[in-house]
Amino acid sequence: DIQMTQSPSSLSASVGDRVTITCQAGQDISNHLNWYQQKPGKAPRLLIYDASNLETEVPSRFSGSGSGTDFTFTISSLQPEDIATYFCQQCDNLPLTFGGGTRVEIK
Amino acid sequence: QITLKESGPTLVKPTQTLTLTCTFSGFSLSTYAEGVGWIRQPPGKALEWLGIIYWNDDKRYSPSLKNRLTITRDTSRNQVVLTITNMDPVDTATYYCAHRRFLGVPTTGAFDMWGQGTMVTVSS
Repeated sequence: DIQMTQSPSSLSASVGDRVTITCQAGQDISNHLNWYQQKPGKAPRLLIYDASNLETEVPSRFSGSGSGTDFTFTISSLQPEDIATYFCQQCDNLPLTFGGGTRVEIK
Repeated sequence: QITLKESGPTLVKPTQTLTLTCTFSGFSLSTYAEGVGWIRQPPGKALEWLGIIYWNDDKRYSPSLKNRLTITRDTSRNQVVLTITNMDPVDTATYYCAHRRFLGVPTTGAFDMWGQGTMVTVSS
């Protein structure tokens, strides 16, 4: 199985701040990395696919980058509605695996 | 517009078999490259992929649960069924079905639409 290590596990930032989350794969996964947002009590929502492609109707303040084993997810200007937990997921090989999640809170 | 919805029991006893149904619309599981996956999430924990069924009736399962999982489909009713045998309290979780978007790797992809999830508690 490909292990996905996500950090930090939680963070607190102010509205307008730039927020960065990292995800490290246990082996080279090329650009086969997706990012999801999960608000409390809701199902996950796909935000970024193939490391850097923004899903339809996702605000442009969200972005992703990286390839190989190291990936970054960024919120350029944190908004109150971005309070959620964010997960990475590798789609390079089965079994599909997710990172442990990053809880984002407002300071 | 793709929608999915899970249904099934909210409470099962240890050793019992869990059967969940995912009813979907907006796509056909007979169409090339389509797939429906199952993912679960214990309370307060991360997401765990369980398995997936593809347009050609191929199925793949998580190795850690493979002996207990079965995924089937009914294309005429637009349903996918997940069965997990020998349920244990550690299987308590919210179970999601999700639409797989093909991204180039035949067996993987992204989950671009999710059901609302159904919470299943395993307790005697």
